[in-house]
Amino acid sequence: DSGVTQTPKHLITATGQRVTLRCSPRSGDLSVYWYQQSLDQGLQFLIQYYNGEERAKGNILERFSAQQFPDLHSELNLSSLELGDSALYFCASSGVVPGQLNYGYTFGSGTRLTVV
Amino acid sequence: EDQVTQSPEALRLQEGESSSLNCSYTVSGLRGLFWYRQDPGKGPEFLFTLYSAGEEKEKERLKATLTKKESFLHITAPKPEDSATYLCAVQANYGQNFVFGPGTRLSVLP
Repeated sequence: DSGVTQTPKHLITATGQRVTLRCSPRSGDLSVYWYQQSLDQGLQFLIQYYNGEERAKGNILERFSAQQFPDLHSELNLSSLELGDSALYFCASSGVVPGQLNYGYTFGSGTRLTVV
Repeated sequence: EDQVTQSPEALRLQEGESSSLNCSYTVSGLRGLFWYRQDPGKGPEFLFTLYSAGEEKEKERLKATLTKKESFLHITAPKPEDSATYLCAVQANYGQNFVFGPGTRLSVLP
């Protein structure tokens, strides 16, 4: 157990629907990162939050949004789902303050999203 | 644009057959280079961080090295349990997030 908890582990939904993925970071970590991993794209950075504020954005679609709550858990919302959104979605956390040397993220076990 | 490439894409070794995986990167100022191991259906597991050229880190049968343009992950006398995908990632000086390479799928046959 890495200490980063993601729920649900698996999600199957239909095109056009909306889903919410949840992540609880490791105790004490203030940064949360979301990554998408598909077979042909590898790990793609989506978005980062630090202590409730958005700090960096990657190639995140407009149909996707995220937030980090006061208790530091984060949610990734995916709407108007398409077949191509099927992927593994990983959350990672870090205790490093943005701007400082990073010793590495800790990843959760991921949510496998299947859009049918 | 920051880029990371890894080679080979896949590697099959016999147990005990040592080899190296390559990670080449292009980044405007390297803050750190990271190696991760990923088992199928699981999240990446952190292995090493390297910060400057010439640095080396070791853990059991794995040794990571760093130059100004690439990193190597040397695997000495691998065992079947070393089979996994090995991911390399870089963080730029100005960046918050990691840019990952596509990975090398390693299979170690008994």
